Amino acid sequence: RKEVEQDPGPFNVPEGATVAFNCTYSNSASQSFFWYRQDCRKEPKLLMSVYSSGNEDGRFTAQLNRASQYISLLIRDSKLSDSATYLCVVPPGGSYIPTFGRGTSLIVHP
Amino acid sequence: NAGVTQTPKFQVLKTGQSMTLQCAQDMNHNSMYWYRQDPGMGLRLIYYSASEGTTDKGEVPNGYNVSRLNKREFSLRLESAAPSQTSVYFCASSEGGPPEQFFGPGTRLTVL
Repeated sequence: RKEVEQDPGPFNVPEGATVAFNCTYSNSASQSFFWYRQDCRKEPKLLMSVYSSGNEDGRFTAQLNRASQYISLLIRDSKLSDSATYLCVVPPGGSYIPTFGRGTSLIVHP
Repeated sequence: NAGVTQTPKFQVLKTGQSMTLQCAQDMNHNSMYWYRQDPGMGLRLIYYSASEGTTDKGEVPNGYNVSRLNKREFSLRLESAAPSQTSVYFCASSEGGPPEQFFGPGTRLTVL
C-alpha cells in the first residue's frame, strides 16, 4: 500500500454542487494532516490543516478518520474558481518530512 | 514580505551542463526543502534542510547536491544534467515541526 493515496479524478461537477475527496494513508502514527491546493502551472498553497477530528473553513470541511486511516475534503457550493488539483499531505509519525499524495483534479463547470 | 523566491523561473540545459537553482525565504523559517514535480508522479522530495547547517537526502537525491548557505538560502545544484531531470522544481520552507509549508513559484527546467 502506498503511503498516501488519492483518486486522481478528474471530478467534474457543476457550479453549486457539493463534492468530496478522500485520501488514505498507511502510517498510523501520523498526527497531522494537510490539504494543499495547486492551480495549473502554479505552486501548491496550503488550504487546510487537520490536527484532530476535523476542521472547517467556510465552504471547506476536512475530516479525519483515524480508525480507517483516511482524511476527506468536502467542498460545498462549488465555484468555478475551485477548479484545481487538491493535494493531500501526511507527515509520517515522528517526522516532519511530508509525504504528498499525487493529487485529485477538480473541474467545476458552469 | 516576498515569501519564498526562486531563480531562475525557466531554464534550458544541454545534457552534461551544470547549473544551480537558487531559493530564498524571508519568513525566518528553520526548514527548507527542494521538490521536483513530474506529470503523474506528484511532488517528490529531493533534499531538505531541517535547520541551518544541516542537509539530508529525500526520496530522489541522485544527481543533485544542495547547500544551505545561511538561514535564508538553500540552493540545488545539478552537476551534470540529464534529460531525466527535466521537471518543475519547487523550493519550500516551514517553521519546523508540522510542515505547513510555503512554496516558491517553481523553476521549469528542460534538459535536451
